[in-house]
Amino acid sequence: QVQLQESGPGLVKPSETLSLTCTVSGDSMSNYYWNWIRQPPGKGLEWIAYIYYSGSTNYNPSLKSRVATSVDTSKNQFSLKLSSVTAADTALYYCARSWRGDDWFDPWGQGILVTVS
Amino acid sequence: QSVLTQPPSMSGAPGQRVTISCTGSRSNIGAGFDVHWYQQLPGTAPKLLIYDNNNRPSGVPARFSGSKSGTSASLAITGLQAEDEADYYCQSYDSSLSGSIFGGGTKLTVL
Repeated sequence: QVQLQESGPGLVKPSETLSLTCTVSGDSMSNYYWNWIRQPPGKGLEWIAYIYYSGSTNYNPSLKSRVATSVDTSKNQFSLKLSSVTAADTALYYCARSWRGDDWFDPWGQGILVTVS
Repeated sequence: QSVLTQPPSMSGAPGQRVTISCTGSRSNIGAGFDVHWYQQLPGTAPKLLIYDNNNRPSGVPARFSGSKSGTSASLAITGLQAEDEADYYCQSYDSSLSGSIFGGGTKLTVL
C-alpha cells in the first residue's frame, strides 16, 4: 500500500524559499503524477503543482512565477520549492498521487504545517 | 474565492439524508471534466470519498453517493451518522486554468 510522507522546515522567514520533500513508499513512482496541495489554517484546499515521474510539470497559474518542482525516482522522492514567501503562504502542505494530470488525488500524505514568520 | 462553489455549512440529524452541491462552469464541470469528492475529518488529511462523479473507492460505505449534471455535481449522504461530521470538498479540472480546482468546502454538522 503506497504511503506518502512530507518533510521539511516548519518555519520559513518572509522573502525566503520554502522547500519540502515528499517520500513515496510501497510503490514505484512510475506512470503517476505527483502533486502538491496546500490548505491555509481554517481554509480550503488549493492545488499547487504536479510533476510527472518523467519530469514534466504543471503549476497553478496563481503561483507559477514562484514554484518549482523536481523528482528523484531513484530515491522515490519529489520536491517543492516556493520562493519569496509571505505570511499568506502559511499553510498545511500535502503531497498526493494522481493517475492523470486532471485526475483525483489518492493517497495523500499526512501534511506538514509550514509557518512563514 | 473558489472556482467551484459549495455551501459553507450544512447540518442534519442522525439517520437523515443530506446533499452537498458543487457548482462550476463551462470551463470545468460543464466541459465534461469529472468531479471527485473528499472527506476531511478534524485534524486529518483529506480522504478520497467519490471519484469520477459517482464511484466509491474500496472501503467507502454505500451511504455515500455522487452525481453530476450540467455544470454541477452533488454528494449525497444517507443514514447520516455522527462519524460523518467533517469537511467535504469537491474537486475537478479547469481548462481555462489548466489545473485542478477545489470547491471551498462544506462543513457538515450532525445534530
